Amino acid sequence: DQQVKQNSPSLSVQEGRISILNCDYTNSMFDYFLWYKKYPAEGPTFLISISSIKDKNEDGRFTVFLNKSAKHLSLHIVPSQPGDSAVYFCAASALQGGSEKLVFGKGTKLTVNP
Amino acid sequence: DTGVSQDPRHKITKRGQNVTFRCDPISEHNRLYWYRQTLGQGPEFLTYFQNEAQLEKSRLLSDRFSAERPKGSFSTLEIQRTEQGDSAMYLCASSLARGGNTEAFFGQGTRLTVV
Repeated sequence: DQQVKQNSPSLSVQEGRISILNCDYTNSMFDYFLWYKKYPAEGPTFLISISSIKDKNEDGRFTVFLNKSAKHLSLHIVPSQPGDSAVYFCAASALQGGSEKLVFGKGTKLTVNP
Repeated sequence: DTGVSQDPRHKITKRGQNVTFRCDPISEHNRLYWYRQTLGQGPEFLTYFQNEAQLEKSRLLSDRFSAERPKGSFSTLEIQRTEQGDSAMYLCASSLARGGNTEAFFGQGTRLTVV
């Protein structure tokens, strides 16, 4: 039972354009969402997060949007840079439910072409 | 470097042997997590500690797996009688408990290969 789904295994964009990575979840108890970036042979690196009381959070080139009714979130990267090429994981937790664990999607491999 | 540190980075072991991994979290972080990641999958939660107390364990953590955090600082994850299905990247993460967030910071992982 995949509670966090990233349906696009890969995404390719041109440098300078927008990258949009999508994530869907099924557990309505999830109330905190995070995006991580992972390079090969390294651990995931935290990028940005959003609480369920918000619908948008922005940090520099990265913006996360949350649509609770659709159980959908997305990560926008503008402008995309070749160094952004990595695997991006969406993760969720149910903090109000007392669970500290993060549930991850399978990831989307982003390639930014020069 | 004050990030999460894991040792060893790589471990090759024969089936049936025991292995132990170590994780040193970010020093002021009171929460420590263990995750496992296999090829093509996202990290899967194994267990987590708040200080020295183990507060949650996944059903993935069979009786061959044991984790400790004896003094609320570093943690060890032991796998007894390893099986080929245990081959994976074992990730440790830590966070600072405060209301409304659970931003965990990950180490570089220990890659286990069971032959």
